[in-house]
Amino acid sequence: QVLLQESGPGLVKPSETLSLTCTVSGGSITTSSYYWSWIRQPPGKGLEWIGYLYNNGNTNYNPSLKSRVTISVDTSKNQFSLRLTSVTAADTAMYYCARAQASYEFWSGYYFWGQGTLVTVSS
Amino acid sequence: EIVLTQSPGTLSLSPGERATLSCRASQSVSSRYLAWYQQKPGQAPRLLIYGTSSRATGIPDRFSGSGSGTDFTLTISRLEPEDFAVYYCQQYGSSPPNSFGQGTKLEIK
Repeated sequence: QVLLQESGPGLVKPSETLSLTCTVSGGSITTSSYYWSWIRQPPGKGLEWIGYLYNNGNTNYNPSLKSRVTISVDTSKNQFSLRLTSVTAADTAMYYCARAQASYEFWSGYYFWGQGTLVTVSS
Repeated sequence: EIVLTQSPGTLSLSPGERATLSCRASQSVSSRYLAWYQQKPGQAPRLLIYGTSSRATGIPDRFSGSGSGTDFTLTISRLEPEDFAVYYCQQYGSSPPNSFGQGTKLEIK
């Protein structure tokens, strides 16, 4: 069974950098067809895709966040991470990591999710 | 940029009734790349449907998906008490590479 677990500070000051890590167990993060995503949800609002990592290091980001987002992988720890710079109160949200599988013929959807971690941006 | 618009925003029904939720895309989406999720308060979303009409593992057969092009539908044939939640559609592959609809809240009438 694949398990994902987010970790990181629950409180970040405005203008600083938000950093979160997702630890994956029960499966290898290096499998080429897997897409490792960060998705967030502001309180009381809908889901917003932030970006994903695939094919051992390739990334794709939401254009609305692209200038501030970096997703990276640490294969030795079976982890992937999110960095979001210059945060404001609008970045306050539950942050989820999730896994999908994809090919030209197939998109599995996000079957595996972490439990989420709430990050508040406040001074 | 593809925008997914879900309707209605809120759907009020009673247990035993049939629910029909709509997801409309601003541009054509491949049916291979359309998924639906259910989210209950305090929980991560749960995958219901992928590839427009394939049920994810463990999803009851009262959930079904259909559609093509720009119009997709999630149908719950007979509502159970545990089905009252928020539902999201999601697309993969087009700009942006992933996006979600704004959600439909299914509430008890």
